[in-house]
Amino acid sequence: QSVLTQPPSVSAAPGQKVTISCSGSSSNIGNNYVSWYQQLPGTAPKLLIYENNERPSGIPDRFSASKSGTSATLGITGLQTGDEADYYCGTWDSSLSAGVFGGGTKLTVL
Amino acid sequence: QVQLRESGPGLVQPSETLSLTCTVSGYSISSIYYWGWIRQPPGKGLEWIGSIHRSGNTFYTPSLKSRVTISVDMSKNQFSLKLNSVTAADTAVYYCARVVCSGGSCPKSDYWGQGILVTVSS
Repeated sequence: QSVLTQPPSVSAAPGQKVTISCSGSSSNIGNNYVSWYQQLPGTAPKLLIYENNERPSGIPDRFSASKSGTSATLGITGLQTGDEADYYCGTWDSSLSAGVFGGGTKLTVL
Repeated sequence: QVQLRESGPGLVQPSETLSLTCTVSGYSISSIYYWGWIRQPPGKGLEWIGSIHRSGNTFYTPSLKSRVTISVDMSKNQFSLKLNSVTAADTAVYYCARVVCSGGSCPKSDYWGQGILVTVSS
């Protein structure tokens, strides 16, 4: 049982837009920055978004994110087959004094 | 370019101690960053294990805290994970990562190793 809640799967057609939600509480998302990670099949997770909505160098602007209260959302526009991956939200939990992740969302580009 | 690589046994006997090392290249481990471990059981999601700073300050996830020790060796630019009394539930891919902390919060891991599969079995 993950501390953060994500939908197990989402799907959309190539070229379309998809959003992935991440729900937490005041001890984690509500008072800490949120990061998002992309894990392509058979590879290590890769940082996609940090500090709620910032993109590391090299991440295309098709990827965006936002945070409101105790929830966060990742958005991907202009979907490509290469975007098929598992996406994880992550943050710090001030009550646990530990990092926490969502259970992950599998994106299928139909 | 920051690179991390995990190393250690791929098979550990139940009740024994799992020991892994992460070798960092392209960046000094004695910097301001924390260095951490995350694991992923086969077919499941990510689980944060813990992190350490050059000062020796550590954070551990509560569910593993009684069994985990993370240490750092600045002379070798390495940090290590020890998890004792392992069971089959500890079978996972173990990743090491650079962890960004500020104000007592560590919400971001920006560089990751490729991961190493550790199986707990007799």
